[in-house]
Amino acid sequence: GAGVSQTPSNKVTEKGKYVELRCDPISGHTALYWYRQSLGQGPEFLIYFQGTGAADDSGLPNDRFFAVRPEGSVSTLKIQRTERGDSAVYLCASSATGNEQFFGPGTRLTVL
Amino acid sequence: AQSVTQLGSHVSVSEGALVLLRCNYSSSVPPYLFWYVQYPNQGLQLLLKYTTGATLVKGINGFEAEFKKSETSFHLTKPSAHMSDAAEYFCAVSANQAGTALIFGKGTTLSVSS
Repeated sequence: GAGVSQTPSNKVTEKGKYVELRCDPISGHTALYWYRQSLGQGPEFLIYFQGTGAADDSGLPNDRFFAVRPEGSVSTLKIQRTERGDSAVYLCASSATGNEQFFGPGTRLTVL
Repeated sequence: AQSVTQLGSHVSVSEGALVLLRCNYSSSVPPYLFWYVQYPNQGLQLLLKYTTGATLVKGINGFEAEFKKSETSFHLTKPSAHMSDAAEYFCAVSANQAGTALIFGKGTTLSVSS
């Protein structure tokens, strides 16, 4: 079956602009996670959804970052007033069992 | 709180040689432990995981890892490296309950020479 998909694969934007990154999880997976991977680093947790609700958003760096999952499937990560430091690969993962996460290919965000 | 330390940001081996990638963790609760592999321009792929039970865990592509609670380690090994094993490897830890986030190490780049 299809894996986790993320769109776009690459996004270039200018400092101060608003961006949306989309994640389509594996069908039937109730848990969805967002991570951010900076160059030379491991992924860092941002937010976790169980169904439609954010069960843990402790990793969001500040209030410019927001994520939604209105129907319990697709999720959108929204970044307002982008800064150069937001440049990274944003990874999405989904899970059915809760202890194995399946990752998408990521969206590479570049803020100029 | 949990954390992961991967010793050695870059490991080089010859084809056919033993692969050993080191991972130490810190966790205030019994952990779940994972190794992921990332090939260039691809997503993370699960190699193996430890949740409960047998402490020696076998994964895909001939890799295995052993959970050693006394040493707080979860080192990844493969008896004989292949050129196709060249990639970035990440060790991760989570709390032993469903739905908790993964905490990753900084990764180890494995190079394999012929």
